[in-house]
Amino acid sequence: GAGVSQSPSNKVTEKGKDVELRCDPISGHTALYWYRQRLGQGLEFLIYFQGNSAPDKSGLPSDRFSAERTGESVSTLTIQRTQQEDSAVYLCASSLVRGGLNTDTQYFGPGTRLTVL
Amino acid sequence: TQLLEQSPQFLSIQEGENLTVYCNSSSVFSSLQWYRQEPGEGPVLLVTVVTGGEVKKLKRLTFQFGDARKDSSLHITAAQPGDTGLYLCAGAEGSTLGRLYFGRGTQLTVWP
Repeated sequence: GAGVSQSPSNKVTEKGKDVELRCDPISGHTALYWYRQRLGQGLEFLIYFQGNSAPDKSGLPSDRFSAERTGESVSTLTIQRTQQEDSAVYLCASSLVRGGLNTDTQYFGPGTRLTVL
Repeated sequence: TQLLEQSPQFLSIQEGENLTVYCNSSSVFSSLQWYRQEPGEGPVLLVTVVTGGEVKKLKRLTFQFGDARKDSSLHITAAQPGDTGLYLCAGAEGSTLGRLYFGRGTQLTVWP
């Protein structure tokens, strides 16, 4: 497909379980972002990958959250020992870095809706 | 604490009316973007403004970046039901690629 894809689209889990969310960016996009969107809220930055640079993890809310990226392709966001407050839509975006500026367009996937019971 | 405050949070209007959505901050941004998000989908970029005082037009949508680069507005003329959606503003503090700070959004509903 031509766009950013995310899987699963919906995930229901029990409190205390670990979950893995997957993001497939647009081919050739070197920058990849993860955001969290709680109900009625804006997007909350979690983590940013760009090429071989060290990721910007400054938005991760706790050490239960981690993310990896394989080269310049797939990324997985892992949440360990899930809590009810982790319930949200997790959005992934990718960007084609031209000038390396913040004006480069971020293309978003449809998100994964996580519900922690 | 929200770096970007959007107002109003909800807006419900009739087709044909005009409206303005505001995005305010005490911080200076190097650029500011406006997105529109529909249910079950990710946000889609509408416009990026970079220069203080800049005005950009996209058909019936007019975007303005404040002179001090701390605020922005989105004006829609003659709103249509197809304009219904969540409008989000997002700011970048630095000029290099990195994180964006998003507002909470304005949920716009346009009734036929």
